[in-house]
Amino acid sequence: DADVTQTPRNRITKTGKRIMLECSQTKGHDRMYWYRQDPGLGLRLIYYSFDVKDINKGEISDGYSVSRQAQAKFSLSLESAIPNQTALYFCATGKGTGNQPQHFGDGTRLSIL
Amino acid sequence: GQNIDQPTEMTATEGAIVQINCTYQTSGFNGLFWYQQHAGEAPTFLSYNVLDGLEEKGRFSSFLSRSKGYSYLLLKELQMKDSASYLCAVIFYSSASKIIFGSGTRLSIRP
Repeated sequence: DADVTQTPRNRITKTGKRIMLECSQTKGHDRMYWYRQDPGLGLRLIYYSFDVKDINKGEISDGYSVSRQAQAKFSLSLESAIPNQTALYFCATGKGTGNQPQHFGDGTRLSIL
Repeated sequence: GQNIDQPTEMTATEGAIVQINCTYQTSGFNGLFWYQQHAGEAPTFLSYNVLDGLEEKGRFSSFLSRSKGYSYLLLKELQMKDSASYLCAVIFYSSASKIIFGSGTRLSIRP
């Protein structure tokens, strides 16, 4: 079983729809992150959470919201999807000490028509 | 602002050596990561440098110069499976520790 699991793996939806991407982990890490990846732009941080009561905006948080339901679960919502949110989304986890590598889920490919 | 630069694409020959460079300008520095990402897959951790010098791990080595804001990833004895994107990422401290990623270097290996 994967240590960091994202659902769904693929999603096609229409403009204006509300979408939730879910992430769960079995690594026991405190820190969880949501990134989006677009061709030529690399990984960009949307939101991150250092524990259940800690939520922080990343560089591109507009149009997104998150919920840290438990240490192991971190979900990303698009309240009203728009086509330029079409991207590959990754969830990642990391240990409490900052100088540890992140561990990524397999990604969710989201297409908004 | 924070900025990381890497070449967009590189090509190398199977069995050869290739060096992928990364330069960064960040407000604070607390380490640099290299990740490998095959097309459509998750990034996977390759190496971490926090002190100046070379870190070697099998066929892969990573070098850091903090004074120059410069790192490179060296891949030896290239194999076809090394065809992937290589991401440079810097961890820095502002109000809390964060990581920023470069756009990645797409490496193609030819026979």
